[in-house]
Amino acid sequence: AQSVTQLDSQVPVFEEAPVELRCNYSSSVSVYLFWYVQYPNQGLQLLLKYLSGSTLVKGINGFEAEFNKSQTSFHLRKPSVHISDTAEYFCAVSPIPPVGGRRALTFGSGTRLQVQP
Amino acid sequence: KAGVTQTPRYLIKTRGQQVTLSCSPISGHRSVSWYQQTPGQGLQFLFEYFSETQRNKGNFPGRFSGRQFSNSRSEMNVSTLELGDSALYLCASSPSVDSYNEQFFGPGTRLTVL
Repeated sequence: AQSVTQLDSQVPVFEEAPVELRCNYSSSVSVYLFWYVQYPNQGLQLLLKYLSGSTLVKGINGFEAEFNKSQTSFHLRKPSVHISDTAEYFCAVSPIPPVGGRRALTFGSGTRLQVQP
Repeated sequence: KAGVTQTPRYLIKTRGQQVTLSCSPISGHRSVSWYQQTPGQGLQFLFEYFSETQRNKGNFPGRFSGRQFSNSRSEMNVSTLELGDSALYLCASSPSVDSYNEQFFGPGTRLTVL
Protein backbone atom coordinates (compact mmCIF):
# COMPACT_ATOMS: atom_id res chain seq x y z
CA ALA A 1 0.00 0.00 0.00
CA GLN A 2 1.01 3.59 -0.50
CA SER A 3 0.60 6.67 1.65
CA VAL A 4 1.23 10.34 0.96
CA THR A 5 1.93 13.00 3.57
CA GLN A 6 1.62 16.67 2.85
CA LEU A 7 3.23 18.25 5.84
CA ASP A 8 1.54 21.64 5.64
CA SER A 9 -2.23 21.99 5.54
CA GLN A 10 -1.98 25.72 4.81
CA VAL A 11 0.81 27.87 3.42
CA PRO A 12 0.34 31.65 3.45
CA VAL A 13 2.76 33.57 1.25
CA PHE A 14 3.02 37.07 -0.16
CA GLU A 15 2.71 37.71 -3.87
CA GLU A 16 6.00 37.40 -5.81
CA ALA A 17 7.61 35.41 -2.99
CA PRO A 18 8.92 31.87 -3.58
CA VAL A 19 7.01 28.90 -2.22
CA GLU A 20 7.65 25.22 -1.54
CA LEU A 21 4.87 22.73 -0.83
CA ARG A 22 6.17 19.57 0.77
CA CYS A 23 5.20 16.02 -0.08
CA ASN A 24 6.57 12.77 1.31
CA TYR A 25 5.38 9.32 0.35
CA SER A 26 5.70 5.76 1.53
CA SER A 27 5.54 2.75 -0.75
CA SER A 28 6.96 -0.76 -0.88
CA VAL A 29 7.11 -0.56 -4.69
CA SER A 30 8.24 2.05 -7.17
CA VAL A 31 5.73 4.75 -7.89
CA TYR A 32 4.80 7.46 -10.31
CA LEU A 33 4.33 10.88 -8.68
CA PHE A 34 1.93 13.70 -9.46
CA TRP A 35 0.93 17.16 -8.32
CA TYR A 36 -2.62 18.37 -8.94
CA VAL A 37 -4.21 21.77 -8.29
CA GLN A 38 -7.84 22.37 -7.41
CA TYR A 39 -9.34 25.82 -7.74
CA PRO A 40 -12.58 26.61 -5.85
CA ASN A 41 -15.60 24.75 -7.22
CA GLN A 42 -13.53 23.00 -9.84
CA GLY A 43 -12.06 19.57 -10.42
CA LEU A 44 -8.39 18.68 -10.29
CA GLN A 45 -5.90 19.83 -12.88
CA LEU A 46 -2.55 18.11 -13.40
CA LEU A 47 0.40 20.42 -12.70
CA LEU A 48 3.20 17.97 -13.36
CA LYS A 49 4.19 14.33 -13.09
CA TYR A 50 7.28 12.25 -12.60
CA LEU A 51 7.41 8.94 -14.43
CA SER A 52 11.14 8.43 -14.98
CA GLY A 53 14.27 10.23 -16.12
CA SER A 54 15.38 13.62 -14.82
CA THR A 55 14.39 14.10 -11.22
CA LEU A 56 13.58 17.77 -11.78
CA VAL A 57 10.21 18.07 -13.44
CA LYS A 58 8.76 21.24 -14.87
CA GLY A 59 5.04 21.74 -15.06
CA ILE A 60 2.46 24.30 -16.02
CA ASN A 61 2.11 27.80 -14.58
CA GLY A 62 5.81 27.98 -13.66
CA PHE A 63 5.75 25.16 -11.12
CA GLU A 64 8.45 22.54 -10.78
CA ALA A 65 9.08 19.59 -8.51
CA GLU A 66 12.07 17.48 -7.59
CA PHE A 67 11.90 13.75 -6.98
CA ASN A 68 14.21 12.57 -4.22
CA LYS A 69 14.15 8.80 -4.02
CA SER A 70 16.34 8.49 -0.94
CA GLN A 71 14.14 10.89 1.02
CA THR A 72 10.94 9.66 -0.67
CA SER A 73 9.96 13.25 -1.33
CA PHE A 74 8.45 15.17 -4.22
CA HIS A 75 8.32 18.81 -3.17
CA LEU A 76 6.61 21.39 -5.37
CA ARG A 77 8.21 24.80 -5.88
CA LYS A 78 7.56 28.08 -7.61
CA PRO A 79 10.06 30.94 -7.57
CA SER A 80 7.45 33.72 -7.62
CA VAL A 81 3.76 33.21 -6.87
CA HIS A 82 0.77 35.19 -8.08
CA ILE A 83 -2.59 35.85 -6.50
CA SER A 84 -4.07 33.48 -9.08
CA ASP A 85 -2.04 30.59 -7.62
CA THR A 86 -4.33 30.59 -4.56
CA ALA A 87 -5.79 27.08 -4.58
CA GLU A 88 -5.50 23.65 -2.99
CA TYR A 89 -2.62 21.48 -4.10
CA PHE A 90 -2.57 17.70 -3.92
CA CYS A 91 0.36 15.35 -4.18
CA ALA A 92 -0.46 11.86 -5.43
CA VAL A 93 1.29 8.58 -6.18
CA SER A 94 0.41 5.45 -8.07
CA PRO A 95 2.39 2.22 -8.07
CA ILE A 96 4.16 1.37 -11.28
CA PRO A 97 2.29 -1.61 -12.64
CA PRO A 98 4.41 -4.61 -13.55
CA VAL A 99 2.91 -5.06 -17.00
CA GLY A 100 1.08 -1.96 -18.18
CA GLY A 101 -2.29 -0.78 -16.99
CA ARG A 102 -2.86 1.74 -14.26
CA ARG A 103 -3.08 1.59 -10.53
CA ALA A 104 -5.27 3.98 -8.60
CA LEU A 105 -3.95 7.30 -7.37
CA THR A 106 -3.36 7.73 -3.64
CA PHE A 107 -3.66 11.39 -2.69
CA GLY A 108 -2.24 13.43 0.14
CA SER A 109 -4.56 15.50 2.31
CA GLY A 110 -3.83 18.68 0.36
CA THR A 111 -2.11 22.00 1.04
CA ARG A 112 -4.05 25.23 0.77
CA LEU A 113 -1.82 27.90 -0.75
CA GLN A 114 -2.98 31.40 0.17
CA VAL A 115 -1.23 34.14 -1.77
CA GLN A 116 -1.61 37.55 -0.18
CA PRO A 117 -1.04 40.90 -1.89
CA LYS B 1 -12.47 19.60 -27.30
CA ALA B 2 -15.05 19.58 -24.51
CA GLY B 3 -13.85 18.56 -21.08
CA VAL B 4 -15.23 15.98 -18.70
CA THR B 5 -18.86 16.67 -17.90
CA GLN B 6 -20.57 15.62 -14.70
CA THR B 7 -24.27 15.86 -13.99
CA PRO B 8 -25.86 17.01 -11.87
CA ARG B 9 -23.46 19.48 -10.28
CA TYR B 10 -25.37 19.59 -7.00
CA LEU B 11 -27.68 17.10 -5.39
CA ILE B 12 -29.53 16.92 -2.09
CA LYS B 13 -30.87 13.60 -0.87
CA THR B 14 -32.10 12.16 2.42
CA ARG B 15 -30.80 9.17 4.30
CA GLY B 16 -31.92 5.85 2.90
CA GLN B 17 -32.45 7.13 -0.63
CA GLN B 18 -30.35 6.16 -3.59
CA VAL B 19 -28.60 8.38 -6.11
CA THR B 20 -27.13 8.09 -9.59
CA LEU B 21 -24.37 10.37 -10.81
CA SER B 22 -23.33 10.68 -14.43
CA CYS B 23 -20.00 11.34 -16.11
CA SER B 24 -19.32 11.99 -19.78
CA PRO B 25 -15.63 11.64 -20.60
CA ILE B 26 -13.65 13.61 -23.11
CA SER B 27 -14.40 12.42 -26.62
CA GLY B 28 -12.19 9.46 -27.48
CA HIS B 29 -11.35 8.63 -23.88
CA ARG B 30 -12.25 5.09 -22.88
CA SER B 31 -11.19 5.03 -19.24
CA VAL B 32 -13.30 6.60 -16.50
CA SER B 33 -12.34 6.71 -12.83
CA TRP B 34 -14.39 7.91 -9.87
CA TYR B 35 -13.13 9.53 -6.68
CA GLN B 36 -14.81 10.68 -3.48
CA GLN B 37 -13.57 13.87 -1.82
CA THR B 38 -14.50 14.69 1.76
CA PRO B 39 -12.94 17.07 4.32
CA GLY B 40 -12.23 14.20 6.68
CA GLN B 41 -10.99 11.44 4.38
CA GLY B 42 -9.66 13.54 1.52
CA LEU B 43 -9.59 12.12 -2.00
CA GLN B 44 -10.28 8.41 -2.21
CA PHE B 45 -10.44 6.16 -5.26
CA LEU B 46 -13.77 4.44 -5.87
CA PHE B 47 -13.38 2.52 -9.13
CA GLU B 48 -12.17 2.64 -12.72
CA TYR B 49 -13.90 1.43 -15.86
CA PHE B 50 -12.43 0.73 -19.25
CA SER B 51 -14.35 -0.60 -22.23
CA GLU B 52 -17.40 -1.26 -20.05
CA THR B 53 -15.40 -3.40 -17.60
CA GLN B 54 -14.48 -2.52 -14.06
CA ARG B 55 -10.68 -2.60 -13.97
CA ASN B 56 -9.97 -1.51 -10.43
CA LYS B 57 -11.93 -0.96 -7.25
CA GLY B 58 -11.23 1.00 -4.07
CA ASN B 59 -12.12 0.11 -0.53
CA PHE B 60 -15.78 1.16 -0.43
CA PRO B 61 -18.84 -0.82 0.62
CA GLY B 62 -21.04 -2.56 -1.92
CA ARG B 63 -23.56 0.29 -1.71
CA PHE B 64 -21.27 2.06 -4.15
CA SER B 65 -21.47 0.70 -7.66
CA GLY B 66 -20.82 1.88 -11.16
CA ARG B 67 -21.05 1.02 -14.78
CA GLN B 68 -19.82 2.18 -18.13
CA PHE B 69 -21.72 2.26 -21.37
CA SER B 70 -20.52 1.50 -24.88
CA ASN B 71 -20.07 5.23 -25.56
CA SER B 72 -17.72 5.39 -22.52
CA ARG B 73 -20.16 7.42 -20.45
CA SER B 74 -20.22 6.23 -16.88
CA GLU B 75 -22.63 6.28 -13.98
CA MET B 76 -22.11 5.62 -10.34
CA ASN B 77 -24.85 4.66 -7.95
CA VAL B 78 -25.00 4.89 -4.20
CA SER B 79 -27.82 3.02 -2.50
CA THR B 80 -29.16 3.45 1.03
CA LEU B 81 -27.49 6.80 1.47
CA GLU B 82 -25.82 7.63 4.77
CA LEU B 83 -24.88 11.05 6.15
CA GLY B 84 -21.22 10.17 5.63
CA ASP B 85 -21.78 9.86 1.90
CA SER B 86 -21.99 13.64 1.65
CA ALA B 87 -19.03 14.50 -0.54
CA LEU B 88 -17.77 15.86 -3.82
CA TYR B 89 -17.69 13.03 -6.33
CA LEU B 90 -15.11 13.49 -9.05
CA CYS B 91 -14.89 11.70 -12.34
CA ALA B 92 -11.70 11.51 -14.38
CA SER B 93 -11.21 10.30 -17.93
CA SER B 94 -8.16 9.09 -19.78
CA PRO B 95 -7.49 7.75 -23.28
CA SER B 96 -6.47 4.36 -21.95
CA VAL B 97 -5.46 2.63 -18.76
CA ASP B 98 -1.76 3.22 -19.30
CA SER B 99 -0.24 4.87 -16.25
CA TYR B 100 1.53 7.57 -18.21
CA ASN B 101 -1.74 8.89 -19.63
CA GLU B 102 -2.97 11.94 -17.80
CA GLN B 103 -6.36 11.70 -16.12
CA PHE B 104 -8.59 14.71 -16.79
CA PHE B 105 -10.98 15.56 -14.00
CA GLY B 106 -14.47 16.93 -14.23
CA PRO B 107 -15.85 19.65 -11.91
CA GLY B 108 -17.54 17.10 -9.68
CA THR B 109 -21.00 16.47 -8.29
CA ARG B 110 -21.56 17.75 -4.78
CA LEU B 111 -23.87 15.38 -2.93
CA THR B 112 -25.45 16.43 0.34
CA VAL B 113 -27.24 13.79 2.40
CA LEU B 114 -29.67 15.11 5.00
